[in-house]
Amino acid sequence: EVQLVESGGGLVQPGRSLRLSCAASGFTFDDYAMHWVRQAPGKGLEWVSSITWNSGSMDYADSVKGRFTISRDNAKNSLYLQMNSLRAEDTALYYCVKDISTYDGSGSYFDYWGQGTLVIVSS
Amino acid sequence: QSVLTQPPSVSGAPGQRVTMSCSGSDSNIGTGFDVHWYQQLPGTPPKLLIYGNNNRPSGVPDRFSGSRSGTSASLAITGLQAEDEADYYCQSYDTTVRSSVFGSGTKVTVL
Repeated sequence: EVQLVESGGGLVQPGRSLRLSCAASGFTFDDYAMHWVRQAPGKGLEWVSSITWNSGSMDYADSVKGRFTISRDNAKNSLYLQMNSLRAEDTALYYCVKDISTYDGSGSYFDYWGQGTLVIVSS
Repeated sequence: QSVLTQPPSVSGAPGQRVTMSCSGSDSNIGTGFDVHWYQQLPGTPPKLLIYGNNNRPSGVPDRFSGSRSGTSASLAITGLQAEDEADYYCQSYDTTVRSSVFGSGTKVTVL
């Protein structure tokens, strides 16, 4: 059974940093690209970032470019999101999401989602 | 402002057929990129419902069907059931932002 378990969310002040983690199991982690998708309270889904199977390429939404860094450790079956210079508008539930393919791109879609970890940016 | 536009809400009585649109442009759906659909039940993460415009993953009832034409796509639910009450999101790829994009979401209410 595929499982994606996020952790690391919490309440943080504007301008501070937070690191999210996602522990994956039930599939061959290093065979797939991975993504972070977020959902602000009461709002829709927003793609945040993606990373290819071998960390060869990472992409970011314009709203987080230069502030967030995605990474993965295939030996630990783990995905990460380092979030710096956090803003109130980053407040959201952050989902760890599995791609159906090795590479992200025009053919990407998402077959498994974690339960999410909540990030609240507020003073 | 989502790149893909969906109606905020649709509703129908049990047993009826409802449809919802996903309107894009020449930089996404109109280019020929596939459209995928997700169902999000209250308080749960999204679940893949339709992939590649009109394909259902194993376990998804055949009451759900998708289509794509021109710069738009549609999701239809036939024989609407109470358990179908959820938010539905379309997703595709956009060449302007060079990333996956989601629709604004449609809330389905079963009357």
